Amino acid sequence: SQTIHQWPATLVQPVGSPLSLECTVEGTSNPNLYWYRQAAGRGLQLLFYSVGIGQISSEVPQNLSASRPQDRQFILSSKKLLLSDSGFYLCAWSAGTGTEAFFGQGTRLTVV
Amino acid sequence: QQQVKQSPQSLIVQKGGISIINCAYENTAFDYFPWYQQFPGKGPALLIAIRPDVSEKKEGRFTISFNKSAKQFSLHIMDSQPGDSATYFCAATNSGGGADGLTFGKGTHLIIQP
Repeated sequence: SQTIHQWPATLVQPVGSPLSLECTVEGTSNPNLYWYRQAAGRGLQLLFYSVGIGQISSEVPQNLSASRPQDRQFILSSKKLLLSDSGFYLCAWSAGTGTEAFFGQGTRLTVV
Repeated sequence: QQQVKQSPQSLIVQKGGISIINCAYENTAFDYFPWYQQFPGKGPALLIAIRPDVSEKKEGRFTISFNKSAKQFSLHIMDSQPGDSATYFCAATNSGGGADGLTFGKGTHLIIQP
């Protein structure tokens, strides 16, 4: 069966520090991969998606970037965090277009 | 065209009652409609999904009703329990669409009072 791992679960980082959140998927190959951000009590904002290694599409211009160095690995990064980067970050995968997505457990990022 | 409108934003239901959450869409190309359940501090989990070739799908206490002509679909939770208290998201996508995946509603915060 397929599983998705996302870490860390919580993270407190100072303003101006770098960020690296990692997500890996097991049990499937060539998944579509997604990074979402969820503000407190709010909906899901799609940040990045990827259909293959090295292929990244950005939905929202911002202080963040994403990379897919391996088929089942998706990384969210920032060189210098802003206070506004605080939020709940969710990684997800799907088997292709027109299907459901499966989410990781999320990372609660607090920038102080 | 890509928007999915979800209502209500929040809902309080007594234990044993029926919880109803509604969604409406505009893009007639949408052909898959999943619902997600999210508990605080956790990622959304797929709850139930429907395709437009059927008007209703039931799994246990959860039922999706789908009205293709009205471009609306709804989630019904029968015999609502305190453990159902969570945020629910409707979503939509289409097989011929881009890889940007699901279009989500803004969520409904459901509270079941004991």
